[in-house]
Amino acid sequence: DVKVTQSSRYLVKRTGEKVFLECVQDMDHENMFWYRQDPGLGLRLIYFSYDVKMKEKGDIPEGYSVSREKKERFSLILESASTNQTSMYLCASLGFGFYNEQFFGPGTRLTVL
Amino acid sequence: AQSVTQLGSHVSVSEGALVLLRCNYSSSVPPYLFWYVQYPNQGLQLLLKYTTGATLVKGINGFEAEFKKSETSFHLTKPSAHMSDAAEYFCAVSGNTGNQFYFGTGTSLTVIP
Repeated sequence: DVKVTQSSRYLVKRTGEKVFLECVQDMDHENMFWYRQDPGLGLRLIYFSYDVKMKEKGDIPEGYSVSREKKERFSLILESASTNQTSMYLCASLGFGFYNEQFFGPGTRLTVL
Repeated sequence: AQSVTQLGSHVSVSEGALVLLRCNYSSSVPPYLFWYVQYPNQGLQLLLKYTTGATLVKGINGFEAEFKKSETSFHLTKPSAHMSDAAEYFCAVSGNTGNQFYFGTGTSLTVIP
């Protein structure tokens, strides 16, 4: 059974803290994605990576960075968390090819106080 | 550029009634279309996808969708709603690079007993 796992389901942090969200996939997929999900706004792409050490900005990269040192792991970093980054964060992976679908992790609900 | 529009952010149906969730897309290339479902506090999971071939696509849990190129639509239907269908539904189209997805803003389905 294919799997995308995220390090935490729920996380509470304070303003100004550095926050790491980890995502691991076991499907040997080339592409990995980080989205944030907010009510009424759907999924918005933060960053994606199409290979190890490669990354592309999505629609809302400000305030975030990413790291992909190994193929199976994609980390999202909030350098200095702010209250407007309180959200649900979803990780996804995608194999090579046009017909494939993304596989999603269970999400991390982050609250920044 | 690709984009997805989901008409109706909230849809309510009675148990046993027809479910119809609307999705229209814009794409400059032949689209690959997807419907995902998200249950509360979970990630997204694939319901069905259209790539090529038959325009009526059957998915899990009794859902199906029809690709209509002339109407640029990919509406999701289910003949008889069940209480367990209550969830958020997202329509998505993949980009022409094969590794970019564009999501609609989602439709929340409520099933009334």
